[in-house]
Amino acid sequence: QVQLQESGPGLVKPSETLSLLCSVSGVSIRSFYWSWIRQPPGRGLEWIGYIYSSESTDYNPSLRSRATISMDTSQNEVSLKLDAVTAADTAVYYCAFGRDGYKFNIWGQGTRLSVS
Amino acid sequence: SSELTQPPSLSVSPGQTAGVTCTGKNLDSKYVSWYQQKADQSPLLVIYEDTKRPSGIPDRFSGSNSGNTATLTIRGTQSIDEADYYCQMWDNRVVFGGGTKLTVL
Repeated sequence: QVQLQESGPGLVKPSETLSLLCSVSGVSIRSFYWSWIRQPPGRGLEWIGYIYSSESTDYNPSLRSRATISMDTSQNEVSLKLDAVTAADTAVYYCAFGRDGYKFNIWGQGTRLSVS
Repeated sequence: SSELTQPPSLSVSPGQTAGVTCTGKNLDSKYVSWYQQKADQSPLLVIYEDTKRPSGIPDRFSGSNSGNTATLTIRGTQSIDEADYYCQMWDNRVVFGGGTKLTVL
């Protein structure tokens, strides 16, 4: 059974780089699609991007210049870095597993991130 | 740019049928997925590829997609179905609708 667990610092200062980790169990991250999706307080879902086939990535055009998604296959972890954060990046950040790039089959519990 | 539009809210009485709509240009040429998000929980996939239900999703949940509108239908709505519902498609990037808050009262 695929399980995902996000982790992060909880609080980041403006202009700094946000770093989040998604620890995956139950499947190798070498296959399938691994996404980051965020949800600002009281608002809807926003796709950040995904990584697939170990090194291919695709990003939301609105975040492409600041976001980097990578993976550590030895640890079975997926990471997100977001540069130059502002208060607008305050959100719950979810890691999600997709069997293909069209849907998100399983989601992690999310990690809350505040920029202040 | 691609957009998906959902009504912000929908109310339904217990036992009735709820229809959550999602509109977008030529939406029936894309696969649409639906997610249920209960308060303080992560989203859960309830419909994918317009009409398919993942294992474990009750058969009172169904989906359709025609023209510019996809619809998530919940038959015999129960209080446990009260949640936010999001549609999603892929059109050169992943796009989510703004979400619909379903109230069962």
